[in-house]
Amino acid sequence: DTAVSQTPKYLVTQMGNDKSIKCEQNLGHDTMYWYKQDSKKFLKIMFSYNNKELIINETVPNRFSPKSPDKAHLNLHINSLELGDSAVYFCASSPNYSNQPQHFGDGTRLSIL
Amino acid sequence: GEDVEQSLFLSVREGDSSVINCTYTDSSSTYLYWYKQEPGAGLQLLTYIFSNMDMKQDQRLTVLLNKKDKHLSLRIADTQTGDSAIYFCAESINDYKLSFGAGTTVTVRA
Repeated sequence: DTAVSQTPKYLVTQMGNDKSIKCEQNLGHDTMYWYKQDSKKFLKIMFSYNNKELIINETVPNRFSPKSPDKAHLNLHINSLELGDSAVYFCASSPNYSNQPQHFGDGTRLSIL
Repeated sequence: GEDVEQSLFLSVREGDSSVINCTYTDSSSTYLYWYKQEPGAGLQLLTYIFSNMDMKQDQRLTVLLNKKDKHLSLRIADTQTGDSAIYFCAESINDYKLSFGAGTTVTVRA
């Protein structure tokens, strides 16, 4: 029944590793997003895809590569993880990209050792 | 976020009303949103208001929008312990992304 689901919920790994976070939405939405929430709870958008096409890339390092195999999925792959990547990553979706409320997943807490 | 400002903390007695304030910068924002984040959880969309409205009421929640002053507020009537959370104000930017405030941590005391 979960509308926007992310896996894993927790991810603990060492610096330099490569990891992926998966996101799926069953709301039939066209647009999906990735946000990063830092330790001070500040939320910032990273990427947005509309119907599998990239529409927002907010100057995120190219170690972060989103992939959208279909409009219900938006995965985030991170290469060469750094300490500063430790954060909570939220996936969200909206009916389309134009001013629609965004629905969020429960987040993936990434900790880099 | 630098475009959206909120006070960081609010303490309120159970049963009283809570008022959380927010100022934003983008006068072209079509929608403004309030999200709630409980500890360890994701963001829950609480309510949103279209920019041509002054007020929206939804059960215990009242949103007031002063577009001239770019000021948004969320009032929670009869605040309960379950209302303890972080509340984020967000504005839509260029119609396709949200800019969030830093969040207001609301603590409800007995």
